[in-house]
Amino acid sequence: QVQLQESGPGLVKPSETLSLTCTVSGGSISDYYWSWIRQPPGKGLEWIGYIYYSGSTNYNPSLEGRVAISVDTSKNQFSLNLRSVAAADTAVYYCARGHHGDYLDWGQGTLVTVSS
Amino acid sequence: QSVLTQPPSASGTPGQRVTISCSGRASNIGSNTVNWFRQFPGTAPKFLIDSNNRRPSGVPDRFSGSKSGTSASLAISGLQSEDEADYYCSSWDDSLNGPVFGGGTKLTVL
Repeated sequence: QVQLQESGPGLVKPSETLSLTCTVSGGSISDYYWSWIRQPPGKGLEWIGYIYYSGSTNYNPSLEGRVAISVDTSKNQFSLNLRSVAAADTAVYYCARGHHGDYLDWGQGTLVTVSS
Repeated sequence: QSVLTQPPSASGTPGQRVTISCSGRASNIGSNTVNWFRQFPGTAPKFLIDSNNRRPSGVPDRFSGSKSGTSASLAISGLQSEDEADYYCSSWDDSLNGPVFGGGTKLTVL
């Protein structure tokens, strides 16, 4: 079982870019898909996108144009950038292993608040 | 509004059997495996079981998953107080070309 840990700012100003990194330990980032999922306070889960270790990506169409996910295999990390954020992007952001809806390993989550 | 539909709440008494439903479409549940997650307050969701009854080690066989047509169910038998949590379903959606989630069901053990 791998461990995942999200890191990044907990506060982002409106219209700026939200940037988070997920560090994978206890296993290699290679040969798996890696996803970002978010959960607004008191609400349900929303898929953001996923990346394969090779770099191929797939994003939620509702966020397409604002989201980018990248991978750094040398650091065993993958990252999320979400541009032009608004209050509606305030959520707990999780990184997870998997991509088909079967997320076997999750990070603990990090709350990102969008506010001036 | 979530793509998959779950009841917002469910309840049962200790020892009882409860089921939580998850309804979707042909493009998601009708064509793909359904996964179930359990989330305790303030913690990350954890994979519980799928509709093929695949479960990680440590998940008791009190939990079972099933699917029929465009609906799926999570059954919990011998309900215990520690089962009180939020439960989410997910599935791949062929039209979206991505995974979709239910809105979650809050299970209360009375």
